[in-house]
Formats: sequence, C-alpha cells, structure tokens
Amino acid sequence: DTEVTQTPKHLVMGMTNKKSLKCEQHMGHRAMYWYKQKAKKPPELMFVYSYEKLSINESVPSRFSPECPNSSLLNLHLHALQPEDSALYLCASSQKLGQSYEQYFGPGTRLTVT
Amino acid sequence: SQQGEEDPQALSIQEGENATMNCSYKTSINNLQWYRQNSGRGLVHLILIRSNEREKHSGRLRVTLDTSKKSSSLLITASRAADTASYFCATDASGSSYKLIFGSGTRLLVRP
Repeated sequence: DTEVTQTPKHLVMGMTNKKSLKCEQHMGHRAMYWYKQKAKKPPELMFVYSYEKLSINESVPSRFSPECPNSSLLNLHLHALQPEDSALYLCASSQKLGQSYEQYFGPGTRLTVT
Repeated sequence: SQQGEEDPQALSIQEGENATMNCSYKTSINNLQWYRQNSGRGLVHLILIRSNEREKHSGRLRVTLDTSKKSSSLLITASRAADTASYFCATDASGSSYKLIFGSGTRLLVRP
C-alpha cells in the first residue's frame, strides 16, 4: 500500500467554524507533512512531524493546529480561518525526515473559506 | 524565498515530441527531486538526483544536474497526452537538512 489518503476531498467552511482535515498512511513512514498550495503556485510547507512529534512549524498562524495521534494519522484542526486561507491542503509522508527521502502525497483537500 | 526557479512557466507541445523543463537554484544542494502534479491533485515523485550525479534516467524521463551552474533539467521523451501536468523541482533548503523547497513549476500541455 503506497497510498496517502485525505479526507474530506472538498470542504467549505465559514470563518467561525471549526473543522478538521485528516490524513492517513499505512506505509510505516515516520515523517508526515502538511503543505498549503494556492492556485498555480508550488506547495508551501506548514508543519512536519517526525516520530509523532512536531519537528517543524513554518510560522503558521495558530488558527491552524496540527495533531499526530499515532504513526499513521495526521490531522489539521482549523478554527476561525480567513478567506485567504482558501487553498489546496496537501498531506505527505516519507520514510523518515530528511531531504533524501521521497515524499508521497495525498490527493489533497480543497478548502474554501467563506 | 524560493530556492528553485523553473522555466518555462508553461510549455505546449504535440504528442510524440520531447519536452524539456529547466530548474535553477541559488545555494548548494545535497540532492534535487522532480515531482509531477496533475491538475488539482497531489504530487507524484518522479526522480531524485544526488549532487554527485550528473545524469539519471527513469523510463522516458532523463534528468541532468549541473552543480557548477546550479541548474537541472527534466527531459520527457516521446510525450503523451497523459503527461499533461505541472512539473516541480524540489531542492533542500539552505541551512536545513530536512526541508524541501519547491520551484515555481512548469505547466506542460501535450496536445493529442
């Protein structure tokens, strides 16, 4: 199984809502990532977990809250988002943390904040 | 700041032709990766080339790396309509051993 799954595929939420994005992999990977991608732009790293511990937070606003309940799951909790947070949110995983490991990406969650 | 810049930004070719995309970067790297993204979907890893390698092949893909010029190229031979996608190079961020920085990407359209 070389698949990273993400749910939901699409999400529309108001600025006062609380929602969560979910990501799952069963490849035994110990590094998991959240990226944000705006239209026609490259992905931008948000958070990295290594062995279920937060390793990197790229100065992301606190309205985004990551969580790694176990080695297979990664969540991104959303609260009080702004319209400019509308984007494609991509989850990825790699065998370990490091640039020499290829990253496997999920299909993404298309988020629209109204 | 972006580590990798790609050109062209967009490329349109006929099926069967070859497509070449270029990536330039600013600081020394340990390795460089290429990814493909179909419209609105996740990225797919294509190939990784290490700084001590000059060329690498995978099927119809050929990647070159010139560390003296801080540049890499991705060649897709005998292109197919299914190759239509955005292609990104990704390099290690300066001063970081674990962060990838993606280039601006090349949008490739292969016309049937």
